[in-house]
Amino acid sequence: GAGVSQSPSNKVTEKGKDVELRCDPISGHTALYWYRQSLGQGLEFLIYFQGNSAPDKSGLPSDRFSAERTGGSVSTLTIQRTQQEDSAVYLCASSLVFGNEQFFGPGTRLTVL
Amino acid sequence: DQQVKQNSPSLSVQEGRISILNCDYTNSMFDYFLWYKKYPAEGPTFLISISSIKDKNEDGRFTVFLNKSAKHLSLHIVPSQPGDSAVYFCAASGVSGNTPLVFGKGTRLSVIA
Repeated sequence: GAGVSQSPSNKVTEKGKDVELRCDPISGHTALYWYRQSLGQGLEFLIYFQGNSAPDKSGLPSDRFSAERTGGSVSTLTIQRTQQEDSAVYLCASSLVFGNEQFFGPGTRLTVL
Repeated sequence: DQQVKQNSPSLSVQEGRISILNCDYTNSMFDYFLWYKKYPAEGPTFLISISSIKDKNEDGRFTVFLNKSAKHLSLHIVPSQPGDSAVYFCAASGVSGNTPLVFGKGTRLSVIA
């Protein structure tokens, strides 16, 4: 596709379960970013990748959160033992190189019951 | 500690008039600023940016003004159109874009026909 895609678009899960969110960046984009937007809040930066490496993981809210990127393309954000406060829209973005204009996907709305 | 602040959560403007969205920042290391626009159920889309070496950047109906001494920037939309109704996010980064973007909480603009 031409843009950044994310799946699933919506995810409802029970507290304590693990979830995996997927991001397909624009082909050829070397940088990939994950953000989340909680209700009434701005976009909170979580992690970014340059290629398959994540130089800065300090934005991840807790050790229940992890992310990986393989083949310089698809990335997955995994949340283990989900909590209700993890409910948010998780947005992925990519850019040609780090620091360039970021193109966002439509997001995954996660609801933890 | 919010480094990028959009103090107005919402703004209503009549069609044809000017919309002015404001943004303040606290980190003096920020030197690259962007505005993103977000429609419901879509990811943010890049609108306009400005580097700290400039105080104004114009693109059609959109103009961004930067006041470095006041650590303040604003987005002017003139004339405003109903299709401009969206949430507008201000974002900033340091070292000419080589750090992750820091976003404000957004301002919801409603342009009334």
